[in-house]
Formats: sequence, structure tokens, C-alpha cells
Amino acid sequence: QKEVEQNSGPLSVPEGAIASLNCTYSDRGSQSFFWYRQYSGKSPELIMSIYSNGDKEDGRFTAQLNKASQYVSLLIRDSQPSDSATYLCAVNGGGNNRLAFGKGNQVVVIP
Amino acid sequence: GAVVSQHPSWVICKSGTSVKIECRSLDFQATTMFWYRQFPKQSLMLMATSNEGSKATYEQGVEKDKFLINHASLTLSTLTVTSAHPEDSSFYICSAGARDRAYNEQFFGPGTRLTVL
Repeated sequence: QKEVEQNSGPLSVPEGAIASLNCTYSDRGSQSFFWYRQYSGKSPELIMSIYSNGDKEDGRFTAQLNKASQYVSLLIRDSQPSDSATYLCAVNGGGNNRLAFGKGNQVVVIP
Repeated sequence: GAVVSQHPSWVICKSGTSVKIECRSLDFQATTMFWYRQFPKQSLMLMATSNEGSKATYEQGVEKDKFLINHASLTLSTLTVTSAHPEDSSFYICSAGARDRAYNEQFFGPGTRLTVL
């Protein structure tokens, strides 16, 4: 059974600072890694996908993947109040395209 | 691209009635659709996986006779909650995996909030 672990939150960061979120996974055969953002009362929204070791940047978001250490992280630069949400780490590696989700990290950006 | 819609966005029904929720991929063909349930302040719980033209695969503990899933085409899946009871009140969210995506991204619909009185 795939397991995805996210360190417990919530994470409070001042506006303009960097928010750093970490995620570890147990299935070494996992191939695809995703970060979803979920606002309270809304459904998850895909914000980052990463498949190769290293960094991937998209605007203020940077995802980092290290398959040897089995972790994936998300950095949010210049955090804004609108970034306040729960961030879900998801991992895919098996058949039927199922994703294994972490429990999520709540981020609170303080103006 | 990769837009998924759900209908209705919210529904209130009486105990014992059935409710159907539709999930559509609007601009892509969905090889696989997934149905999740989320209770307040809890994480997503996968209920079932459906592939177009075949029977859904249900997660352990999810009653297939209570939660009927039909995936009749590459753009439409439906979830019917039969004989709904107050404990079925939850946020139901579908997601779709695109047919031409190599890395199995899932795109979520906006969700359906079900309240059973």
C-alpha cells in the first residue's frame, strides 16, 4: 500500500516569506508527483506536477523531487494571503492511475 | 484545458431518497474517473475508480450497491447515492484522468455538497 506522509501543520508564514512544505512517500516505484491546493470548502486544484529528480519552477511555486530519498517538496515564494489553503501531496506509480494523497498541510499567510 | 464539471453543486434531500451526481470532462477524454468523499476537516477518501465501459472498482468498505457508478462515455461518469441517510452527508468530488496524459494527472471537479435530512 502506498503511503504519503506530510508533516503536520498548520504552517504560519508572514506575507512575503517563503513557505516550505515536505512530503515523503513509501513506494519506491512511484513515477509521478503532484501538489494540489485546496481552499476551504472547495475541491483540490492541481498546481504542480513533477516527474524527474531536481527542481521545477512555475511562477512563485517550486517543486523539488528526490527519488533516492523518496521526498518531494513545495516552496511558495513571496507568500500572499491568497496562498492560505491546504496543500495536498499526491503520488502515482501504479496501475489504474490511482493517486495516493497525503493528509495535507494547512498554510496560513499572515498579512 | 482539463476542465471537469460536476452537477449539481449542492443538493438537499430527504432520508431514503436517491441522488445522482454527474461528472463531466469538458475539453478532454477521460480514460478513468475517480469518486472521492470528504468529510469536514478530513482528508480525501477515494470511494471508487471507474473506467469507461467497465464496472467500477470500489475501495474497501464502500458499498457498491449503495453508491452506484456508471461511466457510460469518455466524458461522463455518474454517482448515484441510493437510499441516502444523514450519515451520507458529505462533499463528493470527482476527478478525471486524461486519456492523452503521460503522467496520470487527475483534474478535479468543483464538488457536490450533499445534505441528507
